[in-house]
Amino acid sequence: KQEVTQIPAALSVPEGENLVLNCSFTDSAIYNLQWFRQDPGKGLTSLLLIQSSQREQTSGRLNASLDKSSGRSTLYIAASQPGDSATYLCAVDEGGAGKSTFGDGTTLTVKP
Amino acid sequence: DAGVTQSPTHLIKTRGQQVTLRCSPKSGHDTVSWYQQALGQGPQFIFQYYEEEERQRGNFPDRFSGHQFPNYSSELNVNALLLGDSALYLCASSNWDGRPHGYTFGSGTRLTVV
Repeated sequence: KQEVTQIPAALSVPEGENLVLNCSFTDSAIYNLQWFRQDPGKGLTSLLLIQSSQREQTSGRLNASLDKSSGRSTLYIAASQPGDSATYLCAVDEGGAGKSTFGDGTTLTVKP
Repeated sequence: DAGVTQSPTHLIKTRGQQVTLRCSPKSGHDTVSWYQQALGQGPQFIFQYYEEEERQRGNFPDRFSGHQFPNYSSELNVNALLLGDSALYLCASSNWDGRPHGYTFGSGTRLTVV
């Protein structure tokens, strides 16, 4: 059974700092990995999708990496801003059948 | 281009009642998945619909059932509601051409069972 863990559960940083969020998964036979952002009480906004054959994806100040062999992914956020405050979730898709397994998220607070 | 639309946004039901939640997928998407998200936790997969059939199911009891219509929209039905069914229910859509392309999520339906 796939298990996804995100560490830390919460993180507070001053504005402008670069930071890394971690995601680990137990079964490396994944199809892809997706990072999402969730604001309180809201739905999920997709940030980055990494296919299993890829090593990283970039979008603006965000960079996500994937190491299937070690069962790890990281989300790097450069020059953090208060507007980045949210919960960040990673999800692994196993075999493309639509069943994604999520971690419990990292809640990020960026202080002005 | 409309994203994933879910209705209603909020719902309060009494224990033992039945509820129906609705989802319209993003334009061009033909696959709909439903997730349950309890407070402080990540979403849990309920089931996925493709070509009007349930293709995959997570670890949820038969009280949870669904349907997909020819226009790809979907419903989630929950019977005999329990207090523990209180959660944010999320719908996600994607298109299937042999490869997944990631998922687009709706804003969710907040269900409160009292």
